[in-house]
Amino acid sequence: GAVVSQHPSRVICKSGTSVKIECRSLDFQATTMFWYRQFPKKSLMLMATSNEGSKATYEQGVEKDKFLINHASLTLSTLTVTSAHPEDSSFYICSALSSGTGSYEQYFGPGTRLTVT
Amino acid sequence: EDKVVQSPLSLVVHEGDTVTLNCSYEVTNFRSLLWYKQEKKAPTFLFMLTSSGIEKKSGRLSSILDKKELFSILNITATQTGDSAIYLCAVEVSGTYKYIFGTGTRLKVLA
Repeated sequence: GAVVSQHPSRVICKSGTSVKIECRSLDFQATTMFWYRQFPKKSLMLMATSNEGSKATYEQGVEKDKFLINHASLTLSTLTVTSAHPEDSSFYICSALSSGTGSYEQYFGPGTRLTVT
Repeated sequence: EDKVVQSPLSLVVHEGDTVTLNCSYEVTNFRSLLWYKQEKKAPTFLFMLTSSGIEKKSGRLSSILDKKELFSILNITATQTGDSAIYLCAVEVSGTYKYIFGTGTRLKVLA
């Protein structure tokens, strides 16, 4: 199946700093990627849809200036958490949309655990 | 508002038991329903269901969709400790490729 990677897998940063998380589709091109956030013992919450070459579409309640998304190529989307605070600590997961013969499927990355101290 | 609800939220069983996990949804433009298993990291795909009444099966796991009553079930027979995980149900919204995830069911299988 298709492979999606995320980097870093874990990151610890101090309050007020910014953190960039990368999501790459390794063996396919993805014009659309998704960013999710997962709190402990909770489900995945869709944050935004990342579109190659255009602005991301954010879900209601997600601050676009806080969570900057850039999808500059067909295999890479980045999520930058700006001026991070402890409440931003979470598990961030991306997925990439792969299109086969008329069908589409999301492939998930392994996730990035962010801890803000 | 589109939503996906799973029940129970958590479940503890003993090895060998059979479990049924439920997923109900209210989504305006339904395309498909997916089941995932999540252990420590990202979810791993189990099933995608698009048609009512057709059971999908993989080993001890099976799932079926009822588009009239807007729900799906995931069955696990002869459970093993390795089945302990969070099971997530997601509905794909037609035309957007977006997934709306349910609350998840945390399953713990005791030896």
